Amino acid sequence: GESVGLHLPTLSVQEGDNSIINCAYSNSASDYFIWYKQESGKGPQFIIDIRSNMDKRQGQRVTVLLNKTVKHLSLQIAATQPGDSAVYFCAEKYNFNKFYFGSGTKLNVKP
Amino acid sequence: DTAVSQTPKYLVTQMGNDKSIKCEQNLGHDTMYWYKQDSKKFLKIMFSYNNKELIINETVPNRFSPKSPDKAHLNLHINSLELGDSAVYFCASSYNGANQETQYFGPGTRLLVL
Repeated sequence: GESVGLHLPTLSVQEGDNSIINCAYSNSASDYFIWYKQESGKGPQFIIDIRSNMDKRQGQRVTVLLNKTVKHLSLQIAATQPGDSAVYFCAEKYNFNKFYFGSGTKLNVKP
Repeated sequence: DTAVSQTPKYLVTQMGNDKSIKCEQNLGHDTMYWYKQDSKKFLKIMFSYNNKELIINETVPNRFSPKSPDKAHLNLHINSLELGDSAVYFCASSYNGANQETQYFGPGTRLLVL
C-alpha cells in the first residue's frame, strides 16, 4: 500500500534561497529512494537517488539526506531558481522494482 | 528521439467505451510500468512487465488489460470505461538489475471519461 508521505504539500521560497522538501516513509525494508520533479503537463523526471547504505548524496545544486532511524528523506535545493518550480515526489523501493510514491510537494519559487 | 513515448497525449471518451494507450521505450530497458496519477497528483503503480512477462499487478480492475508485444512496448487497454478512470496515465521503464532500477517516465496520457 501507500507508505510514503510528505510533510508539506506546498512550499513557497524566494528565488536564490535554499529549499528543503521533506518526505517520510514507513517501510524500514526500503533500500532505494528517488526524488522526482514533475513540471506541469510532463512526466516525472529523475533528480537524484540514494541507497539505504548511504545517508547523504549530492548532485548539482541538489542534496538528498536519508535518516533511516526516523525513516525520513529530504531534498535540498541550493539557490532555488524559477525553473525549479514544480511538484516534487519522493519514491521508495522495497520490493522487486516496485516503487511507492509520496503525495508530492509543490514548490513555488517567487522572483 | 524521445526515450519513453506514449500515444495519445489526450484522450476524451464516453463512459462505457473501450480505449487503448500505447507506450514505447528506446532505452533498451527490459522492464516497463503503468502508473495512474489522480487529480491530487498521487502516483500509483498499476502494472509492471519484465521481458514481456507480467510481474506486478496492483489489484487493478480486470477492465484494465496490459499487453507487451515485445520488451520495448507496453500497451494498456481499458474496457467499459468509467468516470473514475479519468486520470493521467504514465508509462515508465527501467533495467531489471541491481543498482539499475531508476525508472524513466513518459509524458503521460490524459484520459477524460465523460
